[in-house]
This record gives sequence, structure tokens and C-alpha cells, in this order.
Amino acid sequence: GAGVSQTPSNKVTEKGKYVELRCDPISGHTALYWYRQSLGQGPEFLIYFQGTGAADDSGLPNDRFFAVRPEGSVSTLKIQRTERGDSAVYLCASSLTSRGSKYGYTFGSGTRLTVV
Amino acid sequence: GQQLNQSPQSMFIQEGEDVSMNCTSSSIFNTWLWYKQDPGEGPVLLIALYKAGELTSNGRLTAQFGITRKDSFLNISASIPSDVGIYFCAGQLVSGGSNYKLTFGKGTLLTVNP
Repeated sequence: GAGVSQTPSNKVTEKGKYVELRCDPISGHTALYWYRQSLGQGPEFLIYFQGTGAADDSGLPNDRFFAVRPEGSVSTLKIQRTERGDSAVYLCASSLTSRGSKYGYTFGSGTRLTVV
Repeated sequence: GQQLNQSPQSMFIQEGEDVSMNCTSSSIFNTWLWYKQDPGEGPVLLIALYKAGELTSNGRLTAQFGITRKDSFLNISASIPSDVGIYFCAGQLVSGGSNYKLTFGKGTLLTVNP
């Protein structure tokens, strides 16, 4: 596609439920990042994929968070047993190569997750 | 997680005025980036800086990479209403690996009165 596509754009879920957030990167982009942006804050790094593998997941806050990218394109961020503190905008970004990430990668519009 | 110190938090200016915002870090970065984020959208890259002391312009925007590699500023000249939004600085530390993750500031909310 022309840009990074994230679905859904908004998600409201009840505390304790499981959610999946999807990211479609720009076609051919091998590097993919997930960030989380809380209200009034800048985005914070969660996880980085190079191809199919999670090269750095040091930003995931706890083991309720998990992400996959099985075929090296679409990625899914999975959150188990959601808590109200998980409410935030989840941003995905991609770049053509890992080195291309140095030049400022392209962000999607994000998924706004609200846990009630 | 770590966030950079960005100031001011918000600015209210008249159309035509110049704007300046800055960002400081306790640690060194070898790339500084400035992004703009509109409501409901992801951040969009405005300017990227790769060398200490570098001064780069993009239209009415000018940014500089501090010589200590721990700070950067962004200037917007002759502001217009469409400059409204949240501006973020971001630092990257490229240390031989391939993960170019960004550390962001908390943002500067800019309001321009026509």
C-alpha cells in the first residue's frame, strides 16, 4: 500500500479481555517497529522486527504483550488480560531496510486502544 | 521508558511570528529527528540531523544538532495556521546494530492564532 496501515483505528475493550492490533507496513519494507503513545506523551519503543524475527523486544512492558510477524510483512501486536493502564495509541512504523530506519521511518495513524 | 526533555510544553503565537523549541538529553545521540503529529495521525518526519553542529533547513523550518550531541533545537519562521500541531524531537543512537529505535521527547503543542 501507499502507507503504513493500522487496523482497527479504534478499539474499546473490557478489562481482562484479549486484543489484537494489526499493522500492514509499506510493501517491501523489511524493518517494522511498534511504539506506544500515552496521552500527553511522546511515543515509546515497544519492539523491532527485522524480517520475521523480533530483533529487539526490550520495550514490551510485561509478558502480557507479544508481537508476531510470521511472513515478514503484516505484524500483529497481542495484548492479553488487558488493564486500564494499557489504554494508549499504538503506533506502527516501517522502513525499507534496517539502515533505512536511520532516515526516519514512516508511521501509521495508530490504533487507539481504550480499556474500560 | 526514557523520554527526552522538550520545551516548551506548549506555545500560543500569532500568525507570522517565529517559533523556537528545543530538546535536551542526558545521553548522547548520533542522530536527531524532528516530527510533527496532527490529531489522529502518526508522526511525520520534518527534519533529520546526522552530525554534531549540523544546521539544516526545510522550507521555513531550521534545526540544529548540538555540538555536545545531547541537544537539538527547531525553529519555525513566519508561522501559518497549518503549523498547528504537536512537534516531537527524537534521538537515535546508532551503535553498529540494526535497531534504529527512537527516543522521543514529550512534545510541544503549537497553536497559531490567525
